[in-house]
Amino acid sequence: GDSVTQMEGPVTLSEEAFLTINCTYTATGYPSLFWYVQYPGEGLQLLLKATKADDKGSNKGFEATYRKETTSFHLEKGSVQVSDSAVYFCALSDRLKAAGNKLTFGGGTRVLVKP
Amino acid sequence: NAGVTQTPKFRVLKTGQSMTLLCAQDMNHEYMYWYRQDPGMGLRLIHYSVGEGTTAKGEVPDGYNVSRLKKQNFLLGLESAAPSQTSVYFCASSYLGARTDTQYFGPGTRLTVL
Repeated sequence: GDSVTQMEGPVTLSEEAFLTINCTYTATGYPSLFWYVQYPGEGLQLLLKATKADDKGSNKGFEATYRKETTSFHLEKGSVQVSDSAVYFCALSDRLKAAGNKLTFGGGTRVLVKP
Repeated sequence: NAGVTQTPKFRVLKTGQSMTLLCAQDMNHEYMYWYRQDPGMGLRLIHYSVGEGTTAKGEVPDGYNVSRLKKQNFLLGLESAAPSQTSVYFCASSYLGARTDTQYFGPGTRLTVL
């Protein structure tokens, strides 16, 4: 079945550092790829998404490029802030295989940004 | 708009007790979902619904039941709670149709089963 693997955390950074969170996936269909973010005490919210190979999703200074050849969707930000401290989830949706727009999530990566 | 709301926010149960978690959305979404979140395991789908009156099993459905009697509500029931069901439960909803539709999440319910 479909699966998503992302790097384990926690990732601890200083403010203004560069952030990369690796995400790779396994899917037999044509997945759409997502990054969700969970701030402390809150539910998940969509950060960015990409629907086909070579698409780049971007939002709030974060970027991720859909790489079909390496089955990856790595998340990057050039200069993090304390407010970026959160748990980040990579996910895929393969509607061609199953009804309901179901998402398969990675295990999550906790990021802590120190001032 | 309130978006997706969940009731209650916290609950402590004893083994064998029952309870119902309520999810409500005011976005007129067709699809609704229940997930559980456990440390290091991401979110796992328990049950989902593609419309009023319909439900389907997800990845980890055992020990849970659901109902979707009204389009805006999706209920998750635990008939006989077990310590393995200690988790944070999230409800989500999305539009019908487009393959890239965003799922909108509620704030979660933290459940502890003693």
